[in-house]
Amino acid sequence: GAGVSQTPSNKVTEKGKYVELRCDPISGHTALYWYRQSLGQGPEFLIYFQGTGAADDSGLPNDRFFAVRPEGSVSTLKIQRTERGDSAVYLCASSLSLGGTGELFFGEGSRLTVL
Amino acid sequence: SQQGEEDPQALSIQEGENATMNCSYKTSINNLQWYRQNSGRGLVHLILIRSNEREKHSGRLRVTLDTSKKSSSLLITASRAADTASYFCATDARYGGSQGNLIFGKGTKLSVKP
Repeated sequence: GAGVSQTPSNKVTEKGKYVELRCDPISGHTALYWYRQSLGQGPEFLIYFQGTGAADDSGLPNDRFFAVRPEGSVSTLKIQRTERGDSAVYLCASSLSLGGTGELFFGEGSRLTVL
Repeated sequence: SQQGEEDPQALSIQEGENATMNCSYKTSINNLQWYRQNSGRGLVHLILIRSNEREKHSGRLRVTLDTSKKSSSLLITASRAADTASYFCATDARYGGSQGNLIFGKGTKLSVKP
């Protein structure tokens, strides 16, 4: 596609519910990243994939968070038993390769609100 | 944790003036990037400067890097109202971090008044 696509753009859920956020990267980009951005803060790294495998998941805050990229393209970030503190904008980015220019192409984000 | 710290946190200028934003970081890096974010939107890459470069230009943007001081600056010349946005620096850690783990600062919120 023309750019990184994220769905849904907005998600409101209740505490304790399960949420899935989807990211469709730029076609041909092998690296995919998830970041989380709270109000007034910079993006905080969660996880990145090189192909189908999670190359670094050190930013996932706890085991309620999980992400997959089964075919090396679309990725899903999954949050179990959501808490109010999970409320944030979840940003996805992709890049041609890690060893390239290093430029990340970001989607518009999925705004998650946990009531 | 956030490696980069931008200052000022907020900057308000008149159209036509220059805007300078600074970024400091903590560990050795391979490269440093600047991104821009309009309110409610995703981030857009502006410029990347490598650790062996001292200055880089792109249109009205000028970026400097001082690895001895672990700092960088972004200068926007002849600012326009459309430059109003938040600006973030991002670094990768040369040691101890993975190549994909870009660490962003808290950003500088720039407001350019027409």
